Amino acid sequence: EIVLTQSPGTLSLSPGERATLSCRASQSITSSYLAWYQQKPGQAPRLLIYGASSRATGIPDRFSGSGSGTDFTLTISRLEPEDFAVYYCQQYGSSLPYSFGQGTKLEIK
Amino acid sequence: EVQLLESGGGLVQPGGSLRLSCAASGFTFKNCAMSWVRQAPGMRLEWVSAIGSSGGSTYYADSVKGRFTISRDNSKNTLYLQMNSLRAEDTAVYYCAKDYYMDVWGKGTTVTVSS
Repeated sequence: EIVLTQSPGTLSLSPGERATLSCRASQSITSSYLAWYQQKPGQAPRLLIYGASSRATGIPDRFSGSGSGTDFTLTISRLEPEDFAVYYCQQYGSSLPYSFGQGTKLEIK
Repeated sequence: EVQLLESGGGLVQPGGSLRLSCAASGFTFKNCAMSWVRQAPGMRLEWVSAIGSSGGSTYYADSVKGRFTISRDNSKNTLYLQMNSLRAEDTAVYYCAKDYYMDVWGKGTTVTVSS
């Protein structure tokens, strides 16, 4: 089973700042089957990034994903007020179970 | 509009059963793999199960294997999750999602297992 560890657990930043979220896998994720989701309270998650670096439909270009193997990063270039939420990474299609990380809470400083 | 709508959640006693449904619209359901994900109160997302587009391939988390069964009816554009031998730890909001990398999500249905 691939374990995904996200860091930091909580990230406190101000609007306009740059956010860098990390997701580290316990073993290599083949074909970069790594996705990032955003979840706001009381809402379903929303896909941001798939294939480690491809933006989902309708996602602003301030969101970008990078990485391969075991180390992946979600970057939000300039934080908007609506970006403060919990972010999860997930590996899929590589190894069962298709596990999620524990999440990073991005909060307003 | 691409949409997923879950139903079938509710309160059930430990050891009981429920069947969740997920009605899909706005996309070619028969061409898409589908997934179930759950989230216990205040907890992380947990992948539960997935099924290939034809229904011939099914996948389960160890925590539900042997108790839950995923299936689909492509003629009805509907995904199902049959949940048997329910435990308190199965209490969660259950989401259905399109594909393995979940580009569309339903709003979720709440399952509460309690006596």
